[in-house]
Order: sequence, then structure tokens, then C-alpha cells
Amino acid sequence: KAGVTQTPRYLIKTRGQQVTLSCSPISGHRSVSWYQQTPGQGLQFLFEYFSETQRNKGNFPGRFSGRQFSNSRSEMNVSTLELGDSALYLCASSIDRGNTGELFFGEGSRLTVL
Amino acid sequence: AQSVTQLDSQVPVFEEAPVELRCNYSSSVSVYLFWYVQYPNQGLQLLLKYLSGSTLVESINGFEAEFNKSQTSFHLRKPSVHISDTAEYFCAVSRGGSYIPTFGRGTSLIVHP
Repeated sequence: KAGVTQTPRYLIKTRGQQVTLSCSPISGHRSVSWYQQTPGQGLQFLFEYFSETQRNKGNFPGRFSGRQFSNSRSEMNVSTLELGDSALYLCASSIDRGNTGELFFGEGSRLTVL
Repeated sequence: AQSVTQLDSQVPVFEEAPVELRCNYSSSVSVYLFWYVQYPNQGLQLLLKYLSGSTLVESINGFEAEFNKSQTSFHLRKPSVHISDTAEYFCAVSRGGSYIPTFGRGTSLIVHP
């Protein structure tokens, strides 16, 4: 069974630009979550989608948005990039059965903002 | 609300020595507990989990963790570490129906030869 796939793995942008990151969950997983990981803040929860609806949201500004498609694939977008948005963005999927919170992570998209 | 505290940000240890990575959580309800490992330039991988039943859980590569409800702890241990165990370790806690686990800040395990 294929794992969680994130693209692109690495990208470099400049301040003010926008970026879109993609995530394909494990087949059969309907919940997709996004996290931002930085050395200073650790793992910060961005949002979670289930059946194309945002079910949970972290404490991030509106520049951070996401969506989920009918095949459970998800994208997140960051507009008007700032230097502080440089981070590893992790996507995780969950089978959502039993509600245990167990997550399966992708390898991440490393964003560098110059 | 729940929170997770990993008491050590970095743990250096020599190869073949035992190690313990500490994790304490706070929650007013029953929880599920997880340890994830992150190798350089990779995502997080589930190492082991406590959902219910036996309070001692083990991973396939020799790690174990014990759920201690009275001390609200879920410490990770390994009796003899290898160089390949060098990684970042994250403790996480979730409550039933929450879907969203809370992660600790992580502990960097550094194994020296």
C-alpha cells in the first residue's frame, strides 16, 4: 500500500509570492491534516479535512488555506509569503475509524522563503 | 484541553547504552498515546502506541513505553541503542473523538559511537 505522498519535496519562493502544496493520502484514508514544523515552534497544527470539509483548524492567519477533493487528495496554499513561513510542511492521513488520532505522515514539503 | 511535555530537548548517549526519553501529558479524560520518530529529512513515523489494554507497549526495533496513568507519563525506553536510533522523537496524545493529537516539542536522541 502506498504511503502518504507530498509534492513538491523542496521549493524556494520569495516574499510576497504564493505557494501550493499537494498531498495524496493513503488509499482509504479520508482524513487529511496539515502541520507546520519549524525548529523554534515544533509541530504546529494547521487544519484537518474530512470528506472535502474543513473539520478542525489551528491558529494560523487566513493566508494559510486548504482544500480537499472528492478523492481525498488535499492541497494547502500560503499566500503573500513571509520569511517566517519557511518550514517543513507535513501532511498526515488517518483512517478515521475509532478516532484514536493515529496519523500517517508524508515526508514533507520543505519551503524556503527568501 | 490537553498538553504534552517532553522534558528533554536533547539526549546524548553512547552506543549500546540504555536510554529513556520522558513524556508527560495533561488531560482530564482518557487518552491515546503515541511515540513518533523522525529521521533527518523525513516525515514522522509511528514508533508505538497505547490505545488500551496492557500498559507496556513495544515496537519492532526494541523500544518500549509504559503508560502510567497516576503519573500521567508515557516514557520511551530502549535497553541498548544503536547509531541508527539517532533521530527526533515526538510524544503525542489525543482523546477519543478529537481526531487531532497534541504533539510535544520533540527530543533529539544523539547516539555517539
